[in-house]
Amino acid sequence: GAVVSQHPSRVICKSGTSVKIECRSLDFQATTMFWYRQFPKKSLMLMATSNEGSKATYEQGVEKDKFLINHASLTLSTLTVTSAHPEDSSFYICSASFESSSNQPQHFGDGTRLSIL
Amino acid sequence: QQQVKQSPQSLIVQKGGIPIINCAYENTAFDYFPWYQQFPGKGPALLIAIRPDVSEKKEGRFTISFNKSAKQFSLHIMDSQPGDSATYFCAASMAGNQFYFGTGTSLTVIP
Repeated sequence: GAVVSQHPSRVICKSGTSVKIECRSLDFQATTMFWYRQFPKKSLMLMATSNEGSKATYEQGVEKDKFLINHASLTLSTLTVTSAHPEDSSFYICSASFESSSNQPQHFGDGTRLSIL
Repeated sequence: QQQVKQSPQSLIVQKGGIPIINCAYENTAFDYFPWYQQFPGKGPALLIAIRPDVSEKKEGRFTISFNKSAKQFSLHIMDSQPGDSATYFCAASMAGNQFYFGTGTSLTVIP
């Protein structure tokens, strides 16, 4: 069964709206979660690493003021796309590992399809 | 710079065929190599993974072959079925740090 739950699965909203996406680890604690963006028929692009209790680490070229990440608990990380515009439309996916200190597989959520009109 | 290079970009095989997807990496510090399967509109799901201390790992119809000296690894799908049609991603990581993904292979299995 799913070990990472992502919500909502689909969002359609107007330009200028802020959208929050939740990523929850089920039945395990995740000190680190990852947020990816995926364009159609393309690979996953790491946006940021979400660390519980501290600031997220953003990849080069990702605007941290645009994509706000909060990892307030060991089972929940949120990504907020602020003042979304049509170019932010994409498939956003989170992942988490059981442990961050050893090689454990990343388990992915089912993704959020964001469409900005 | 693409840390993990994957080929082919797309692949079409007949049912029962054995599609092979290849990946190559440069960083010898990588020590964990998973393969993920992704269906449209879904997140990637872990299929099988290998560590560099073994040359082959088999789970059901899926086999990873690993060549440490060549820094290459591949996924073989035995007796492929139409339900295997999906996008496959290889990845590499080191010591629990971020995963680097290949560019993906779209596999179509024709009935």
